[in-house]
Amino acid sequence: EAGVAQSPRYKIIEKRQSVAFWCNPISGHATLYWYQQILGQGPKLLIQFQNNGVVDDSQLPKDRFSAERLKGVDSTLKIQPAKLEDSAVYLCASSFTGGNYNEQFFGPGTRLTVL
Amino acid sequence: DAKTTQPNSMESNEEEPVHLPCNHSTISGTDYIHWYRQLPSQGPEYVIHGLTSNVNNRMASLAIAEDRKSSTLILHRATLRDAAVYYCILRGNNAGNMLTFGGGTRLMVKP
Repeated sequence: EAGVAQSPRYKIIEKRQSVAFWCNPISGHATLYWYQQILGQGPKLLIQFQNNGVVDDSQLPKDRFSAERLKGVDSTLKIQPAKLEDSAVYLCASSFTGGNYNEQFFGPGTRLTVL
Repeated sequence: DAKTTQPNSMESNEEEPVHLPCNHSTISGTDYIHWYRQLPSQGPEYVIHGLTSNVNNRMASLAIAEDRKSSTLILHRATLRDAAVYYCILRGNNAGNMLTFGGGTRLMVKP
């Protein structure tokens, strides 16, 4: 079974530039998550989708971050404009459903460096 | 979400058992206890979860205290590949049932 795919794996940009990350979840998984992991910390949930609807985006900095999941499959996360503090690994995860017993499968992440 | 408390780091010898503790004194009756681990430069991976009873799978065992205020992840024979950050997470019936990661325990395995 193919895992969660993310691209790019690495990205270096200057502050105030824009960047986009792409995620392809495991086939059949209705729930998709984006996490931000700052060096030395655990991942922090940014947004959760159930199919193509947003379940929770309470921790998404909406003035600069946006995410969409068109057709309930792939998803993109965008930062515009980027700040120095956005340097982190951005992880995408998916699960069959959003139930509290369901395992989440994580992708390898995209490491963003903002200079 | 109820919080968990884990030691920052632990050390183990290869091929010996490892017991990773987690305290969760404010756990509610519907909270599942999940464990994930994160190997270097990888995304987290699921290890095990439980509600009330002890659980075993091919990766590990989960021992849950009778009052559910603490749990222990048991790796029966640590290998070098088990060196990772281990996260103990409570997952309840809140909206979206999201995972809230803490700092985790960094496990170091010595050959």
